[in-house]
Amino acid sequence: AQSVSQHNHHVILSEAASLELGCNYSYGGTVNLFWYVQYPGQHLQLLLKYFSGDPLVKGIKGFEAEFIKSKFSFNLRKPSVQWSDTAEYFCAVSFYFGTGTSLTVIP
Amino acid sequence: DVKVTQSSRYLVKRTGEKVFLECVQDMDHENMFWYRQDPGLGLRLIYFSYDVKMKEKGDIPEGYSVSREKKERFSLILESASTNQTSMYLCASSPWFGAYNEQFFGPGTRLTVL
Repeated sequence: AQSVSQHNHHVILSEAASLELGCNYSYGGTVNLFWYVQYPGQHLQLLLKYFSGDPLVKGIKGFEAEFIKSKFSFNLRKPSVQWSDTAEYFCAVSFYFGTGTSLTVIP
Repeated sequence: DVKVTQSSRYLVKRTGEKVFLECVQDMDHENMFWYRQDPGLGLRLIYFSYDVKMKEKGDIPEGYSVSREKKERFSLILESASTNQTSMYLCASSPWFGAYNEQFFGPGTRLTVL
């Protein structure tokens, strides 16, 4: 099975700070990459996805992620976080998920 | 909008009971999945199904079985519940077979086994 690693387990930021969450995976072939978000009390939902093409992908709510094949990475970024970004973030390779990163944004 | 519904939001059962968790999706998706979500462990795949009556084991199938008699419905069965199966259970669906499709998740069932 695919192995997906998220090294940041819990991140605390102040509003307007920049965000980068790491994601690494083990499989070296063609991969389909996803970031999902789970807001408190809500369903998991898709933030963005990468299948092929431009390695910099943009998602909802100002999030973006960069696929770096040589590093087996798909890191999530946002230039300026808001309090409403407080949530748990999951990286996935096809239907295998990482352990998640809990983000708390302090107003 | 895709809707994935799960039969219960909260469930409390006793050790040794047989437990059924039901999941229904309304978008004619071929694929359906069951995960358990535990703090610090993320989502772990229990079983998935890519067609009616078809099933594949995920990473942690032990102690679980599944049933998919109709395309829209995917059931997770705990034959004899144990306390280590206390968890949040998430159902998901996605269209077509293949790893490139996003999944749509239900609200989850929080199961407590006493």
